[in-house]
Amino acid sequence: GQQLNQSPQSMFIQEGEDVSMNCTSSSIFNTWLWYKQEPGEGPVLLIALYKAGELTSNGRLTAQFGITRKDSFLNISASIPSDVGIYFCAGQFVGSGGSNYKLTFGKGTLLTVNP
Amino acid sequence: SAVISQKPSRDICQRGTSLTIQCQVDSQVTMMFWYRQQPGQSLTLIATANQGSEATYESGFVIDKFPISRPNLTFSTLTVSNMSPEDSSIYLCSVSWQAAYEQYFGPGTRLTVT
Repeated sequence: GQQLNQSPQSMFIQEGEDVSMNCTSSSIFNTWLWYKQEPGEGPVLLIALYKAGELTSNGRLTAQFGITRKDSFLNISASIPSDVGIYFCAGQFVGSGGSNYKLTFGKGTLLTVNP
Repeated sequence: SAVISQKPSRDICQRGTSLTIQCQVDSQVTMMFWYRQQPGQSLTLIATANQGSEATYESGFVIDKFPISRPNLTFSTLTVSNMSPEDSSIYLCSVSWQAAYEQYFGPGTRLTVT
């Protein structure tokens, strides 16, 4: 089955620093999604990417859909303490007929921001 | 997006018992899913809840252990049957609309089996 490698596994940074994390897949995806999960909460969708090469921003967050369709990255600029959490990438391959909505998740990147 | 609620938010259950988790959405959605997140781990899809028909289960998950219902376009239940400590996890429902591929998650149900 499809596997996602997400790196780094964890990051400990100072407030104000920029952050970059990425996911690579063994096979292609049609869609890449990035989620953030805080303790005791469900994952919250941050950014959705639908086209190879697409670059999308959401405030201080920027994500890109890799040209090969097998990778994606998420950047966070000027980090703040509330950015703390676990960031998950998720890929989706929708086959012909659009019947498969299954998401495959990466293992997550734990981000800690030191004030 | 939509407002997604889950009940209960957490529970502590005894081995051998069953727990039914509810997922309620404030608007009609096309797709509803159930995920498991084991402690410190990522999310794993259990099944897709289909309205009016049997759920579609992923490899490693069976209907006898995780029966699912979806009576309408806003509600679904997941039952964790004959629980063991290995079932201690966060159980999450998610929803999506046919026109888009994003999935939105509920707050989760934190289950501890003793």
